[in-house]
Amino acid sequence: EAGVTQFPSHSVIEKGQTVTLRCDPISGHDNLYWYRRVMGKEIKFLLHFVKESKQDESGMPNNRFLAERTGGTYSTLKVQPAELEDSGVYFCASSPYLPGGGDTQYFGPGTRLTVL
Amino acid sequence: AQSVTQLDSHVSVSEGTPVLLRCNYSSSYSPSLFWYVQHPNKGLQLLLKYTSAATLVKGINGFEAEFKKSETSFHLTKPSAHMSDAAEYFCVVSDRTGRRALTFGSGTRLQVQP
Repeated sequence: EAGVTQFPSHSVIEKGQTVTLRCDPISGHDNLYWYRRVMGKEIKFLLHFVKESKQDESGMPNNRFLAERTGGTYSTLKVQPAELEDSGVYFCASSPYLPGGGDTQYFGPGTRLTVL
Repeated sequence: AQSVTQLDSHVSVSEGTPVLLRCNYSSSYSPSLFWYVQHPNKGLQLLLKYTSAATLVKGINGFEAEFKKSETSFHLTKPSAHMSDAAEYFCVVSDRTGRRALTFGSGTRLQVQP
């Protein structure tokens, strides 16, 4: 079974440019999550999709970040315009739906974003 | 609200000696607790998970962790370190109230000396 995949693995852009990160979850997983690790800080939650619906966006830093999950399959995270503080590693995770929570989230390898 | 504190940012052990990575958590509800590992240039891999069954949880690669409610701890141990254990380890909590966001500790980097 294929794991969570993310594309690209690395992206280097200049301040003010736009970048789109993609995540393909494990097939059949309704839950999809985005997390971010900024240099020297903890891994922080960004948002959670259940199928194509945004269930929890409480971690999104500002309106320069836009996440979509059309059709409930893959997801994209767009940063427009990128700022220096957006640099970090962006992780995607997916999990099957369990009513009581506590589901195990399976992580992708991450996309390392560098904004110059 | 929930939080996780990993008490050591770096731990160095010799190959063949025991490993102890310390984690304390805070959660308003009965938590699920996880340990994830990240090897260099790799993604996060689940080592083990506690969800209110047995308090001693066995994971992959010989790791285990014990949930101690009275101490709000979930320390990770391994009897004998191997060179391949060198990585960064994350203690993670989820409060199982329906909000599924994971809360991560700051990570402990394990170094294994030959």
